[in-house]
Amino acid sequence: QKEVEQNSGPLSVPEGAIASLNCTYSDRVSQSFFWYRQYSGKSPELIMSIYSNGDKEDGRFTAQLNKASQYVSLLIRDSQPSDSATYLCAITEGGSYIPTFGRGTSLIVHP
Amino acid sequence: GAVVSQHPSWVICKSGTSVKIECRSLDFQATTMFWYRQFPKQSLMLMATSNEGSKATYEQGVEKDKFLINHASLTLSTLTVTSAHPEDSSFYICSARASGTSYEQYFGPGTRLTVT
Repeated sequence: QKEVEQNSGPLSVPEGAIASLNCTYSDRVSQSFFWYRQYSGKSPELIMSIYSNGDKEDGRFTAQLNKASQYVSLLIRDSQPSDSATYLCAITEGGSYIPTFGRGTSLIVHP
Repeated sequence: GAVVSQHPSWVICKSGTSVKIECRSLDFQATTMFWYRQFPKQSLMLMATSNEGSKATYEQGVEKDKFLINHASLTLSTLTVTSAHPEDSSFYICSARASGTSYEQYFGPGTRLTVT
């Protein structure tokens, strides 16, 4: 059974700092990796998807994937209080569209 | 693009009654839709996966006769909670995957169900 592990946090960073969120997974055939942001009381919102090793940048967000080490991370540059939310890592294995979600990491950006 | 709507956004019903929740993909065709449930402070729990025109596939432990799912078209899926009980009170969220090879899911805003 696939497992997706995230530190529940909270991760507290000052405004303007880089927030680093990590996710490890157990299934070596995992192919697709996603980061979602979920504000309290709201549904998840897709931030980034990454499919191949290396970095993928989108604005202040960078996803990093290392399949050999089985981890995927999300960096948030110039963190803002509005980035305070729970960040969910999700993974699908090849051929399956059904994702496995981690429990999420709570991020708090304080002014 | 990739907007998913849900209706209603919140509902209160009496124990023993049934509640229907609609999930629509507004600007894309959704080959697959997913239904999740989330209790406060807990992670998403996948309830079922539905493909247009097919019977839904339920996750282990989810009662298919209690949570009826219909995916009648490429833009609409419904979840009916039958004979609701207070323990069914939760945040129900649908998501949709676009047709083709996309693995990305887009979530609806969720429906908060309270059973009294």
